[in-house]
Amino acid sequence: SAVISQKPSRDICQRGTSLTIQCQVDSQVTMMFWYRQQPGQSLTLIATANQGSEATYESGFVIDKFPISRPNLTFSTLTVSNMSPEDSSIYLCSVVGTVASGMGYRNEQFFGPGTRLTVL
Amino acid sequence: DQQVKQNSPSLSVQEGRISILNCDYTNSMFDYFLWYKKYPAEGPTFLISISSIKDKNEDGRFTVFLNKSAKHLSLHIVPSQPGDSAVYFCAARPSGTYKYIFGTGTRLKVLA
Repeated sequence: SAVISQKPSRDICQRGTSLTIQCQVDSQVTMMFWYRQQPGQSLTLIATANQGSEATYESGFVIDKFPISRPNLTFSTLTVSNMSPEDSSIYLCSVVGTVASGMGYRNEQFFGPGTRLTVL
Repeated sequence: DQQVKQNSPSLSVQEGRISILNCDYTNSMFDYFLWYKKYPAEGPTFLISISSIKDKNEDGRFTVFLNKSAKHLSLHIVPSQPGDSAVYFCAARPSGTYKYIFGTGTRLKVLA
């Protein structure tokens, strides 16, 4: 399994500012993802962070609002730009890792602890 | 359009009894289903999964049942323990991707 850390764990920001969230993994992983969980909602995939190329964004999310960097196989950042109160959410980094199972190994998705963002 | 639905936002169960958490989905392209558990201030942790070629998968106290014709899956926890109190998310992914679609979660409270 992969151990994932995120910084900051939480922040309170003013409207119109930007925040960059860092995600560090303890092993090299090919696939990294950024999710958002708005209050009372499910986890929603924002984008897939690809090492060496541009991130792939899901419908409803754009690069100008959520620029992503993936400089190497253990690290990624997500920036929430020009924030508004609607951006108040938990932002989660996720990676695909390998776990042992009864039939050998399989790939599963592991999550970081999340960054709780409040925009005033 | 919510493709994965958990219609019960909360559930309370007495310690030692069975907890049953339910999940419905609409997309017939989903071929892999998972349950995640989430404690406050932590990220979701993988609990158990099931492939669409199976109808049951068991891991200790946790069993997941899949009814493909009804597009329904459930998580059974037997016996329930106070440490199981958490939010449980059902998730599904379409064939060939790692793009998980999550439900809104069910908050389980196991009463001692």
